[in-house]
Amino acid sequence: EDKVVQSPLSLVVHEGDTVTLNCSYEVTNFRSLLWYKQEKKAPTFLFMLTSSGIEKKSGRLSSILDKKELFSILNITATQTGDSAVYLCAVVRPAGGTSYGKLTFGQGTILTVHP
Amino acid sequence: GAVVSQHPSRVICKSGTSVKIECRSLDFQATTMFWYRQFPKQSLMLMATSNEGSKATYEQGVEKDKFLINHASLTLSTLTVTSAHPEDSSFYICSARKPGQNTEAFFGQGTRLTVV
Repeated sequence: EDKVVQSPLSLVVHEGDTVTLNCSYEVTNFRSLLWYKQEKKAPTFLFMLTSSGIEKKSGRLSSILDKKELFSILNITATQTGDSAVYLCAVVRPAGGTSYGKLTFGQGTILTVHP
Repeated sequence: GAVVSQHPSRVICKSGTSVKIECRSLDFQATTMFWYRQFPKQSLMLMATSNEGSKATYEQGVEKDKFLINHASLTLSTLTVTSAHPEDSSFYICSARKPGQNTEAFFGQGTRLTVV
């Protein structure tokens, strides 16, 4: 059975701090790993990681994948109160015989950024 | 970018009634869509994979007679919660991915179901 574990489960920081969120996985037939940010409603996409060692960046957020050690990290620098959310990672593998993979999500990390 | 639209965003129904939730891919054809359920402060749990023109594939522990899925066209999948009970109250989200591409999954806005 596929398994995705995120840590920590919750994190409280102050504005300006840097945080690192972790995601480890055990899946058969791995395709890619996705990071999402979820506030009140549906998750919004952050990054998709397919290759090891290649950092993806978007503003203050960055992420990298290690396919040998089976984990990914999401970094947020100079955190702001608007970064407060649940951060979800998910791994993608093919669903049956199709090429449209289903996602297995981790438990999420609840990030709270205080002013 | 691709958009997935889910409707309604919020519904309140009485115990014993059925509720239908729609998920539409607006600018691409989705032969496969996924339905998730999320309890408060928990992650998304995959319920079923919806396949256009064929039966849905349900995850272990999900009652297929309770959660009816119909994927009658390339842009629409529906989830019907039959004979709803208060324990079915939850946040339901659908997602779809562009066919033939290793892209991120696009999510609908989600439906907050409350059964009273």
